[in-house]
Amino acid sequence: GQQVMQIPQYQHVQEGEDFTTYCNSSTTLSNIQWYKQRPGGHPVFLIQLVKSGEVKKQKRLTFQFGEAKKNSSLHITATQTTDVGTYFCAGWGLPGGSYIPTFGRGTSLIVHP
Amino acid sequence: KAGVTQTPRYLIKTRGQQVTLSCSPISGHRSVSWYQQTPGQGLQFLFEYFSETQRNKGNFPGRFSGRQFSNSRSEMNVSTLELGDSALYLCASSLGTSGTDTQYFGPGTRLTVL
Repeated sequence: GQQVMQIPQYQHVQEGEDFTTYCNSSTTLSNIQWYKQRPGGHPVFLIQLVKSGEVKKQKRLTFQFGEAKKNSSLHITATQTTDVGTYFCAGWGLPGGSYIPTFGRGTSLIVHP
Repeated sequence: KAGVTQTPRYLIKTRGQQVTLSCSPISGHRSVSWYQQTPGQGLQFLFEYFSETQRNKGNFPGRFSGRQFSNSRSEMNVSTLELGDSALYLCASSLGTSGTDTQYFGPGTRLTVL
């Protein structure tokens, strides 16, 4: 079945440093969504990527979808303590296959002031 | 606009019992998806309902079932509870289907099976 690997599992950074998390799918994806979950909270939708090679920016966050639609990344520039949380990707399979979301295990970001 | 609500927030059951969880989506949203979150397996998709019809189902045993009512509220049922069913159960609603529209998650129901 479809698998989505996400690395790293944890990332400690000093406030002001950059952060990147990567997702790799075993199969070609139809689309991918990114979520953030604060400790004790629930996932909050960040963005959806659909097109091959797509790049989207939200202030200090940059999201990329690979050309083959099998990998994606989230990059945060100049981290702040408010960025603390776990970032998940969720990949949707191609129509005709198993069109259900498969989540990465998440990357927990710890920002040290 | 009120967010997604889930009841109850916490639940303790014993093995063999059954449980029903409830989810009220954001007004106007027609899709409700259910997820299980555990430290061991992470977030896993259970099923999605759209306009009272189950659209997709994840890889869970038949003990896990759900339904959606005409007002889009949804319930999830787990029968013959096992220790491994202890988890945070999250529901999410979206205007259209979950794979195309923004999903809004509820706070979750924390289920503990003893």
